[in-house]
Amino acid sequence: GENVEQHPSTLSVQEGDSAVIKCTYSDSASNYFPWYKQELGKRPQLIIDIRSNVGEKKDQRIAVTLNKTAKHFSLHITETQPEDSAVYFCAASMTGGYQKVTFGTGTKLQVIP
Amino acid sequence: DAGVTQSPTHLIKTRGQQVTLRCSPKSGHDTVSWYQQALGQGPQFIFQYYEEEERQRGNFPDRFSGHQFPNYSSELNVNALLLGDSALYLCASSLAGTYSNQPQHFGDGTRLSIL
Repeated sequence: GENVEQHPSTLSVQEGDSAVIKCTYSDSASNYFPWYKQELGKRPQLIIDIRSNVGEKKDQRIAVTLNKTAKHFSLHITETQPEDSAVYFCAASMTGGYQKVTFGTGTKLQVIP
Repeated sequence: DAGVTQSPTHLIKTRGQQVTLRCSPKSGHDTVSWYQQALGQGPQFIFQYYEEEERQRGNFPDRFSGHQFPNYSSELNVNALLLGDSALYLCASSLAGTYSNQPQHFGDGTRLSIL
């Protein structure tokens, strides 16, 4: 089955700096890669996603890149703010009318004011 | 527009007991997936229901079972509870797509504690 590895497990940045979280996946059939943000005690919330026919996607301060050949994808947050502090999960799944989503182990991001 | 709702929010059980957790999907969604999230870890896929049938299953024992009703709501049942079943149980709903993945929307979860 699919295996998703995520690094780093914790990340501290100064407010205004950029943060990068990296993930690798094992199953070349995976072609949908969502990223979720989970604040303490709250539900995971989808913040951005990318499909395999796209190499990069941006949404304001958030961007995701995908390298299908290397099976790598990354989340980039620019101009970080204290409210960006949370646990971020990358995930991977395959098309086919079903969406078994395999999650990474999470990155705890702390933005220091 | 109501999002995904789960009940109860918290539950305390003892070893060997049985538990039922409930989920109502986001309006317009027809697919429900269940995940187990242990403390400090990512969600682990348990199973998914579509058209009242279990469509996919993760690496969970048969003690974990489920059901989907005609209104798309779903239940997760866990029998013979073990201490290791203590976790946050998340329900996620989505709209089935034949050729592409649809984003899953999560509920707030049920925090299950086993004593």
